Amino acid sequence: EAQVTQNPRYLITVTGKKLTVTCSQNMNHEYMSWYRQDPGLGLRQIYYSMNVEVTDKGDVPEGYKVSRKEKRNFPLILESPSPNQTSLYFCASSLRGRGREKLFFGSGTQLSVL
Amino acid sequence: AQKITQTQPGMFVQEKEAVTLDCTYDTSDQSYGLFWYKQPSSGEMIFLIYQGSYDEQNATEGRYSLNFQKARKSANLVISASQLGDSAMYFCAMREVYGGATNKLIFGTGTLLAVQP
Repeated sequence: EAQVTQNPRYLITVTGKKLTVTCSQNMNHEYMSWYRQDPGLGLRQIYYSMNVEVTDKGDVPEGYKVSRKEKRNFPLILESPSPNQTSLYFCASSLRGRGREKLFFGSGTQLSVL
Repeated sequence: AQKITQTQPGMFVQEKEAVTLDCTYDTSDQSYGLFWYKQPSSGEMIFLIYQGSYDEQNATEGRYSLNFQKARKSANLVISASQLGDSAMYFCAMREVYGGATNKLIFGTGTLLAVQP
């Protein structure tokens, strides 16, 4: 089954404790992206990747890191999480991230930073 | 800069009635695409429908149709014969189709739809 898999589904952590949210897709997509969803703000892009070893900042990249060492994986790293990073996070992918292509989304990761 | 506006934070509709969710957009691009996604309470994002700026006809997918008015820069989602399972958050999104420095999908703030029996 074609899918984007995010883990974990829920995560509670404390300020400053490094964490990684994993994302993997099995559709051989070149384009992958991370979004955060906050009430009243919709979804905002954090980082995106056009292909292996090619990543770039989205609209709200501060406090986040990403890497794309393999085509299928695009982990989101919070080196020193803070309470303002409490949010619902989505990983998404599409073939090349262009034109009419819809984004395929993971099931989301609800992160709470205490 | 591209921008999506959804002015209805929440809406009610009676089961079996039609409902229109508003979406207006702002872009200087000539080629762009408009998407609608549904987010039920379980949280996943479900693609509903796509409209290209140069598509001659309004898009339809089952009970979903897109009322695209290019001159007014609006792309309203129409759900016919509402069902209880349509209760969800709905997001409008836009992407430029050709060229550009980025290829991101820009989202509106969403409309929460509640279908009443």
